[in-house]
Amino acid sequence: GENVEQHPSTLSVQEGDSAVIKCTYSDSASNYFPWYKQELGKRPQLIIDIRSNVGEKKDQRIAVTVNKTAKHFSLHITETQPEDSAVYFCAASRRGSTLGRLYFGRGTQLTVWP
Amino acid sequence: DTGVSQNPRHKITKRGQNVTFRCDPISEHNRLYWYRQTLGQGPEFLTYFQNEAQLEKSRLLSDRFSAERPKGSFSTLEIQRTEQGDSAMYLCASSPFGTGETGELFFGEGSRLTVL
Repeated sequence: GENVEQHPSTLSVQEGDSAVIKCTYSDSASNYFPWYKQELGKRPQLIIDIRSNVGEKKDQRIAVTVNKTAKHFSLHITETQPEDSAVYFCAASRRGSTLGRLYFGRGTQLTVWP
Repeated sequence: DTGVSQNPRHKITKRGQNVTFRCDPISEHNRLYWYRQTLGQGPEFLTYFQNEAQLEKSRLLSDRFSAERPKGSFSTLEIQRTEQGDSAMYLCASSPFGTGETGELFFGEGSRLTVL
């Protein structure tokens, strides 16, 4: 099965700085890479996703990249704000197949200090 | 609220007892997933349904765990003879498959199980 590794496990940045979280995956058939944000005591919610045939995707202060050859993908948050503080999970799946379940990384606890 | 609903939100039980959790997905979603999350870990896949058919089960799902989705709507997850290691947050998620599919999973608030 798929194995998703995520680094770092904790990340502290000053407000306004950038934050980068990196993930690797093992299954070359994985083609869909979402990122979920989970605030304390809340449900995970999708913030952005990308398919393996798209190199980069941006949504305001958030960008994701994927390198299919190297089997890694990253989340970039620019101009961080205290409300960005949460646990971020990367995930991988074979979208569109009956094996479409998501495999999650262990999460990165992001803390943004004002 | 038309989101994913889970009940009960919290369950405290003694070791050896059986527990059952219920999930009501978003009504038009034909896929339903169960995940387990422990402190400091990402959601761990347990099983999923497409309509009433259980398409995949994790090897982590021992014989003590059983899930059903009899009419393709709500689902139940039962844990028999609970053990302390079963203590976790049990998350349910739903998604459309086919028309309207985006890949996004919509999670419920979870059912927290504590086994004493």
